[in-house]
Amino acid sequence: DSGVTQTPKHLITATGQRVTLRCSPRSGDLSVYWYQQSLDQGLQFLIHYYNGEERAKGNILERFSAQQFPDLHSELNLSSLELGDSALYFCASSDQGADTQYFGPGTRLTVL
Amino acid sequence: GDSVTQMEGPVTLSEEAFLTINCTYTATGYPSLFWYVQYPGEGLQLLLKATKADDKGSNKGFEATYRKETTSFHLEKGSVQVSDSAVYFCALTHYGNNRLAFGKGNQVVVIP
Repeated sequence: DSGVTQTPKHLITATGQRVTLRCSPRSGDLSVYWYQQSLDQGLQFLIHYYNGEERAKGNILERFSAQQFPDLHSELNLSSLELGDSALYFCASSDQGADTQYFGPGTRLTVL
Repeated sequence: GDSVTQMEGPVTLSEEAFLTINCTYTATGYPSLFWYVQYPGEGLQLLLKATKADDKGSNKGFEATYRKETTSFHLEKGSVQVSDSAVYFCALTHYGNNRLAFGKGNQVVVIP
């Protein structure tokens, strides 16, 4: 158990809908990262938050957004969903200045 | 940009066989290198890491050596068990820019 929690574990929705994925980092970790894992693209970095502030963006679509709240949990919002957004979404956290990231169990999103 | 290349295709081997998974990288400077493992239905777990040239990371019988001259970080285990069946990902990150860049992953299947 990494100490990173993600909810929900599975999510099934329809095209055009909007969903919110939630992540709670390990106790004391200020950094939260989001990654997408799909069969064709592999594991791709989406976005990094540190103590409530956005620090870096990767291959994140404009339809996707994220935020980190004062209690350090983070949410990834996916809107106008398309079939191609079906994937596993992982959250990871790390300690300040540390290079090791600890991953949650992931949320499997299926868009029908 | 940074990239990580892993050998193509799944790896199938018998219990107690020797395992090697190749990983090469392209990056500026001196990245930190990682191997993560993903067991069926689970998130990614850090297996081992190395942060500078010639460092050897090791854990649970797995080893990998950071080779700057060949830009490689090959994973090895001398005698695999059925419980080692999983997907293995090579990854890198830079200090101060903590996004992880992942390889495509290798499915390892160990047959009793």
